[in-house]
Amino acid sequence: GENVEQHPSTLSVQEGDSAVIKCTYSDSASNYFPWYKQELGKRPQLIIDIRSNVGEKKDQRIAVTLNKTAKHFSLHITETQPEDSAVYFCAAISGGGADGLTFGKGTHLIIQP
Amino acid sequence: DAGVIQSPRHEVTEMGQEVTLRCKPISGHDYLFWYRQTMMRGLELLIYFNNNVPIDDSGMPEDRFSAKMPNASFSTLKIQPSEPRDSAVYFCASSRRGGTPYNEQFFGPGTRLTVL
Repeated sequence: GENVEQHPSTLSVQEGDSAVIKCTYSDSASNYFPWYKQELGKRPQLIIDIRSNVGEKKDQRIAVTLNKTAKHFSLHITETQPEDSAVYFCAAISGGGADGLTFGKGTHLIIQP
Repeated sequence: DAGVIQSPRHEVTEMGQEVTLRCKPISGHDYLFWYRQTMMRGLELLIYFNNNVPIDDSGMPEDRFSAKMPNASFSTLKIQPSEPRDSAVYFCASSRRGGTPYNEQFFGPGTRLTVL
């Protein structure tokens, strides 16, 4: 089955700086890669997703890049703000019709004032 | 729309007791997923349904766990008998396939289960 590795587990950045979280996946047939943000005690919420036919997608301060050859995708947050502090999860859905998400272990992003 | 609804929000029970978690997906969604979140194992898929039919239950830890979806607006996850290692937050999520290969999965607020 699919295996998703996520790094780093904790990331501390100064407010206004950029943050980058990286994930790798194992199943070359995977074709959908969402990113979820989870605040303490809350549910995971989708912040951006990318499909395998696209190399990059941007939504305001958030962008995701996908390298299918390397089986690698990354989340980029620019101009970080205090409300960006949360745990971020990358995920993947394997090809072949399976629809369940395989999640990375999460990155605790801390924005330092 | 009220979003995905889960009940109870918190459940504390003793080892050996039966636990039933409930989920109401977003109206019109044809996929329903059960996930479990723990510090050690992160977010794990337990089982998912398409049009009320279980598609993949390979993530269900053992026979003590069972899930049903009797209709499009209701699903249950049952643990019998419960054990302390089942303590976790259980999330239900739903999505609508539509015309695209995959769509956003919307998560419910979760049920925090504590087994003493």
